[in-house]
Amino acid sequence: QVQLVESGGGVVQPGRSLRLSCSASGFTFSSYAMHWVRQAPGRGLEWVTLISFDENNKYYADSVKGRFTISRDNSKNTLYLHMNSLRAEDTAVYYCARDVGDGDYFRYWGQGALVTVSS
Amino acid sequence: DIVITQSPDSLAVSLGERATINCKSSQSVLHSSNNKNYLAWYQQKPGQCPKLLIYWASARESGVPDRFSGSGSGTDFTLTISSLQPEDVAVYYCQQYYTTPGGTFGQGTKLEIK
Repeated sequence: QVQLVESGGGVVQPGRSLRLSCSASGFTFSSYAMHWVRQAPGRGLEWVTLISFDENNKYYADSVKGRFTISRDNSKNTLYLHMNSLRAEDTAVYYCARDVGDGDYFRYWGQGALVTVSS
Repeated sequence: DIVITQSPDSLAVSLGERATINCKSSQSVLHSSNNKNYLAWYQQKPGQCPKLLIYWASARESGVPDRFSGSGSGTDFTLTISSLQPEDVAVYYCQQYYTTPGGTFGQGTKLEIK
């Protein structure tokens, strides 16, 4: 059974940094690309970033490019999102999601981690 | 960028009645190489993560009740719930994944009981 569990959310001041983690189980983590998708309070869903199974390819939404970095540790079955220069508009629930392999739709999601950027 | 617009923004339907949610893409999401529409539907209940209902515009996800169906092609798509049940109250999102990575989501449609 695929399980994705995010951690590391919290309240952070504008301009500061935060790192989210996503612990994966129930599948061969090193075989799948992974995504982060976010949802601002009361708003819709926004794809944030993707990392290939081998970490060789990374892609970012324009809204976070240059500020966020996705990474993974396949030996620990863990996905990371390093968020720098945080802004109020980055306030959201951040979900990790597993790639399905044949298209960027999302079958497996974590429960989400809330990041609040506020002074 | 492909823009996805859902209609209506909110919808109230009586129990046992049909609910229809529309999704319109600013560009076709039908890929000529495989004749597949790169369109998915999700259900999100309060405090929960989204749940995949439909992919490739009309393929029902395993475990999803058959009262849920997806249709359409090109730029116009529909999610239909044939007989609304109390547990179907949720926000529904469509997503185009024609543009990679990640695609784009619609703004959501809130479905309530009348």
